Amino acid sequence: DAGVIQSPRHEVTEMGQEVTLRCKPISGHDYLFWYRQTMMRGLELLIYFNNNVPIDDSGMPEDRFSAKMPNASFSTLKIQPSEPRDSAVYFCASSFGRASGDNFGSGTRLTVV
Amino acid sequence: AQSVTQLGSHVSVSEGALVLLRCNYSSSVPPYLFWYVQYPNQGLQLLLKYTTGATLVKGINGFEAEFKKSETSFHLTKPSAHMSDAAEYFCAVSVVTSGSRLTFGEGTQLTVNP
Repeated sequence: DAGVIQSPRHEVTEMGQEVTLRCKPISGHDYLFWYRQTMMRGLELLIYFNNNVPIDDSGMPEDRFSAKMPNASFSTLKIQPSEPRDSAVYFCASSFGRASGDNFGSGTRLTVV
Repeated sequence: AQSVTQLGSHVSVSEGALVLLRCNYSSSVPPYLFWYVQYPNQGLQLLLKYTTGATLVKGINGFEAEFKKSETSFHLTKPSAHMSDAAEYFCAVSVVTSGSRLTFGEGTQLTVNP
């Protein structure tokens, strides 16, 4: 099992540019989560999907953020336009059911300059 | 809504000493409880979990935790610390009524001194 795969590992972009983060969950998992981690705010849940359907997006900071899950094996998190305060590590995680715990990817470190 | 409090943002122990990381939770319904470890520049890795049944749960790397409902606690322990245990540790809770989303504590940075 390859685990949750995120790309890119690192992204440096200029303010105002569009950024797209990608995630491939573990095969067979029915939940997918996007988290953001910063020193100031810790680990925050942005949005999660169940069977490809967004369930709770209350953590998405503002309309500049959007997430999609077109199929069970792929999800994207898009920021447009990006701002320096979006700089953080973004994690994708997946799980089968909710009692097993979330399996995290290695994260994408985003720097917006 | 559920919540988690990790007591002590930094814990320092000597190699070979007992590791005790504290976690208290708040939930109006039976919770699922988890401990995760995060090494530098890596994602979170599940150490152990409590869902139902035996209240003492054993995880990877020699860690264990005990669910104490009366104390609303889920403290993480390891009898003898190794240098490789130095990392950040997160306690998390989820309940079915909140859609089973994980709520994380703020984390405890564990330092192991030689």
